[in-house]
Amino acid sequence: GESVGLHLPTLSVQEGDNSIINCAYSNSASDYFIWYKQESGKGPQFIIDIRSNMDKRQGQRVTVLLNKTVKHLSLQIAATQPGDSAVYFCARPSLNTNAGKSTFGDGTTLTVKP
Amino acid sequence: GAVVSQHPSWVICKSGTSVKIECRSLDFQATTMFWYRQFPKQSLMLMATSNEGSKATYEQGVEKDKFLINHASLTLSTLTVTSAHPEDSSFYICSTVNEVPFSATNEKLFFGSGTQLSVL
Repeated sequence: GESVGLHLPTLSVQEGDNSIINCAYSNSASDYFIWYKQESGKGPQFIIDIRSNMDKRQGQRVTVLLNKTVKHLSLQIAATQPGDSAVYFCARPSLNTNAGKSTFGDGTTLTVKP
Repeated sequence: GAVVSQHPSWVICKSGTSVKIECRSLDFQATTMFWYRQFPKQSLMLMATSNEGSKATYEQGVEKDKFLINHASLTLSTLTVTSAHPEDSSFYICSTVNEVPFSATNEKLFFGSGTQLSVL
């Protein structure tokens, strides 16, 4: 079956530094990926998505890079702030007949040190 | 973005009692909702897919009689943990997609705020 996994379970960065969270996937047919952010005690929130016809997509302080050759994507957070401390999941949605299921990675816990 | 309201945020109950968790889509209709379970420091585990007006679809290993799902309207799905036991203690989260229009690019999920269940 398809898997989506993160490289590191934890990441600690200094406030103001850039953060890079990595994710690997196994299914070459995967064409759409989403990054979610989950703060402690809350449900996940959508951050940014990317389709396979793109290599890069930028949002506000976040950039997602997709390398289809090595089946790898990354989430880059610029000028990391304390409010960025959370668990980050990469996810691969999959179409069903009438619903959307997503395969989630294990999550990377980002800790921002002041 | 779409808003999904989940209640309660936390609940403590005695072993053997039943607990109901509600999930509402506030600004759109949701014919499908998803229920997840999440243990500390772990990823989300899909338990079941709730379908408005029909039976829920449960993932392998999830007891349908234990976790009752009702999706009676286009804006409300409920998960009832029946005869709860300490091993049912977990963080439960609902989600849905904005289905209008429905396409691969609208597969991003909108999550409720989660319910922390503690069974004594």
